[in-house]
Amino acid sequence: EVQLVESGGGLVQPGGSLRLSCAASGFTFSSYWMSWVRQAPGKGLEWVANIKQDGSEKYYVDSVKGRFTISRDNAKNSLYLQMNSLRAEDTAVYYCAREHYGDFPPFDIWGQGTMVTVSS
Amino acid sequence: SYVLTQPPSVSVAPGKTARITCGGNNIGSKSVHWYQQKPGQAPVLVIYYDSDRPSGIPERFSGSNSGNTATLTISRVEAGDEADYYCQVWDSRVGFGGGTKLTVL
Repeated sequence: EVQLVESGGGLVQPGGSLRLSCAASGFTFSSYWMSWVRQAPGKGLEWVANIKQDGSEKYYVDSVKGRFTISRDNAKNSLYLQMNSLRAEDTAVYYCAREHYGDFPPFDIWGQGTMVTVSS
Repeated sequence: SYVLTQPPSVSVAPGKTARITCGGNNIGSKSVHWYQQKPGQAPVLVIYYDSDRPSGIPERFSGSNSGNTATLTISRVEAGDEADYYCQVWDSRVGFGGGTKLTVL
């Protein structure tokens, strides 16, 4: 079964750090671009970052540039998001998502999400 | 950044047809993807590249894209279709519409 499972969410104080993980199974992880997408409580979806198959290209939404780092370990079939200098507005459910093949692809597989709460 | 505009809500009676729009400047020149999200669940891809349907998605779901509007059409609406629906495109980066809550009356 094709599956993505996120972990690592929790409660953190403003200015703190957190590292999210996403474990992939059921497909050749190293063949796909991967993304993180977040959803603040009661709000819509917001793309956060993505990473190329070999990790050589990474892109971020402006609001997290310089604070968040996306990475992957293809040997462990895992995707990561290191989040530093967290702010209240980073509070959200964070989903990892697989990008389908092709140009301008859809996100065809999503994890169940992990909740990050930034609060004092 | 590229703006995608969706109506906040759409209501439809069971068995009728629901149409959810996604507006954007010359969106017809872009590829549009649609996701369904039920409360407490992750999004699910229901239409990709404007009108393609992933395996397992009922034929009742269809899509079109032309000019400044992309449309997700759900025929013979069922109670189980009640959910939030999001459109998505790639511009300089990924963009999502604000979402539309579909209510089945």
